[in-house]
Amino acid sequence: QVQLQESGPGLVKPSETLSLNCSVSGGSISYYYWSWIRQPPGKGLEWIGYIYYSGSTNYNPSLKSRVTISVDTSKNQFSLKMRSVTAADTAVYYCARSASWFDPWGQGTLVTVSS
Amino acid sequence: EIVLTQSPGTLSLSPGERATLSCRASQSVSSSYLAWYQQKPGQAPRLLISGASSRATGIPDRFSGSGSGTDFTLTISRLEPEDFAVYYCQQYGSSPRTFGQGTKVEIK
Repeated sequence: QVQLQESGPGLVKPSETLSLNCSVSGGSISYYYWSWIRQPPGKGLEWIGYIYYSGSTNYNPSLKSRVTISVDTSKNQFSLKMRSVTAADTAVYYCARSASWFDPWGQGTLVTVSS
Repeated sequence: EIVLTQSPGTLSLSPGERATLSCRASQSVSSSYLAWYQQKPGQAPRLLISGASSRATGIPDRFSGSGSGTDFTLTISRLEPEDFAVYYCQQYGSSPRTFGQGTKVEIK
């Protein structure tokens, strides 16, 4: 079955750019929507945005000015970039399939914003 | 943006008991586009229910979802030890997608 795996730096400095990849295995990235979701430590879930395999995107307005999601179908992966991060962006970042209900999810990766 | 409010915040129950979790939306969720997830410590959320009442693949039938409009319910008919976790509702009827703040089901 389809599995997702996040990867990227676990520590990012304030004001810098957070960059994460999500590798999709066990199936093609084509013909699906793919999302990023985050969860600050001890808190709830926040949807960041999604991308269709063709490249069309939709972002949470609360993050839209700082976020870019892209897709690389040749590598079967999609990516998240978040600019000008602050401590408030410290969270576990998950990738997931679909733009409606989310299934399956990656295991998540903790990104800490600190100098 | 649709705000989802879950209640109660914490539910203290014993194995074998029935759990009833509520999710109320600030405005009507179109076409009952509501999902439920279970999350255990250190794990990613797991999809339980989509479309307000359709169980995901492999989810036991003790989990059931109901509701429409602004009021939705997740029911666990008889709690098993592995069901003690945090549960989130999420709407996908409009953008941005939003989640409730979660209900923790703990062992009494």
